[in-house]
Amino acid sequence: EVQLVETGGGLIQPGGSLRLSCAASGFIFSSSYMTWVRQAPGKGLEWVSVFHSGGGTHYADSVRGRFTISRDNSKSTLYLQMNSLRAEDTAVYYCARGRDDYGDFMNWGQGTLVTVSS
Amino acid sequence: EIVLTQSPGTLSLSPGERATLSCRASQSVSSNYLAWYQHKPGQAPRVLIYGTSSRATGIPDRFSGSGSGTDFTLTISRLEPEDFAVYYCQIYDWPPRYTFGQGTKLEIK
Repeated sequence: EVQLVETGGGLIQPGGSLRLSCAASGFIFSSSYMTWVRQAPGKGLEWVSVFHSGGGTHYADSVRGRFTISRDNSKSTLYLQMNSLRAEDTAVYYCARGRDDYGDFMNWGQGTLVTVSS
Repeated sequence: EIVLTQSPGTLSLSPGERATLSCRASQSVSSNYLAWYQHKPGQAPRVLIYGTSSRATGIPDRFSGSGSGTDFTLTISRLEPEDFAVYYCQIYDWPPRYTFGQGTKLEIK
């Protein structure tokens, strides 16, 4: 059974940093592309970042230069380092596993809440 | 950048009725890269349809997807009580970028 478990969320002041983790199991993590998607309170889903199995990384314009995605294949874990956090980064952050050749997200974690507030 | 517009914003129907949800793209997209998700409060989103019309594993056959170019549709043939949720369409385009529509809320009438 595929499992994705996000941790690391919490309350952080504007300008602060936070690192999210996503522990994966039940599939070959190293050959999968992984992504972060977020949902702000009362809003829809917003793609944040992707890490392809070949090593390429990409970001949404709203987080580029502030967030860094990384992965440790030996630990089957995906990370999101979030710096210079703003109030508008407040959201539930989901990690998800991508499906090759189709660009959709076939498995999702339950999410972790990040609240940026003073 | 491709923008996805979903309609209607809210759809009020009764169990047993047919639901038709629309997703329109601001420019033509590959049918390989159009997906639909169901999202319920407090739960993880769940993919229903990928590649415009392929049902994901475990998705009942009352869910179907169709369309091409800029116009795509998710149809739920006969609504069950558990189908009331928010639905999103999503595309992948280049440079690697993933875009969601704003969502359609399917509520019980």
